[in-house]
Amino acid sequence: EAQVTQNPRYLITVTGKKLTVTCSQNMNHEYMSWYRQDPGLGLRQIYYSMNVEVTDKGDVPEGYKVSRKEKRNFPLILESPSPNQTSLYFCASQEGAVSPLHFGNGTRLTVT
Amino acid sequence: GEDVEQSLFLSVREGDSSVINCTYTDSSSTYLYWYKQEPGAGLQLLTYIFSNMDMKQDQRLTVLLNKKDKHLSLRIADTQTGDSAIYFCAEGESSSNTGKLIFGQGTTLQVKP
Repeated sequence: EAQVTQNPRYLITVTGKKLTVTCSQNMNHEYMSWYRQDPGLGLRQIYYSMNVEVTDKGDVPEGYKVSRKEKRNFPLILESPSPNQTSLYFCASQEGAVSPLHFGNGTRLTVT
Repeated sequence: GEDVEQSLFLSVREGDSSVINCTYTDSSSTYLYWYKQEPGAGLQLLTYIFSNMDMKQDQRLTVLLNKKDKHLSLRIADTQTGDSAIYFCAEGESSSNTGKLIFGQGTTLQVKP
């Protein structure tokens, strides 16, 4: 089954403790991206990747890092999480720049 | 910059038609999308329309695009309680190769039995 898998689904952590949210897709898509969803703000792009070893900032990249060492994986790294990063995070993949996004089921992160 | 706006809430009775409206600003958008988000789940692609089309029908879903007014609508015929969810309109950012979609805030559809 074609899907985007992200883990964990829920994560509670404390300020400053590094964490990684994993994302994997099995559709051989070129593009992958991370979005965060906040009430009243909709979804905003954090980072995106056009291909292996090619990543770039989206609209809200501060406090996040990503890597794309393999085509299928695109982890999101928070080196020093802060409470304002409490949010619902979605990983997505797409075949090309104007193709529909396919989303994972989301990771709800709480930073205390 | 690009912006997408939707009304926040719509309530209908089971069996009625629902119409969710959306306005967007990027006149050069190639594709416009409708996504559905059920509680605790990710966003599921419902349908999309290419910018040179006026209408697209897919079973109970009808998408209408008025390019002149930059207005997009999603009509759900014979709305069921299982259609209760948040519906997001999104446009592709055609001016770059980021693959980014600009999302509206989402319309919560409540279907009463």
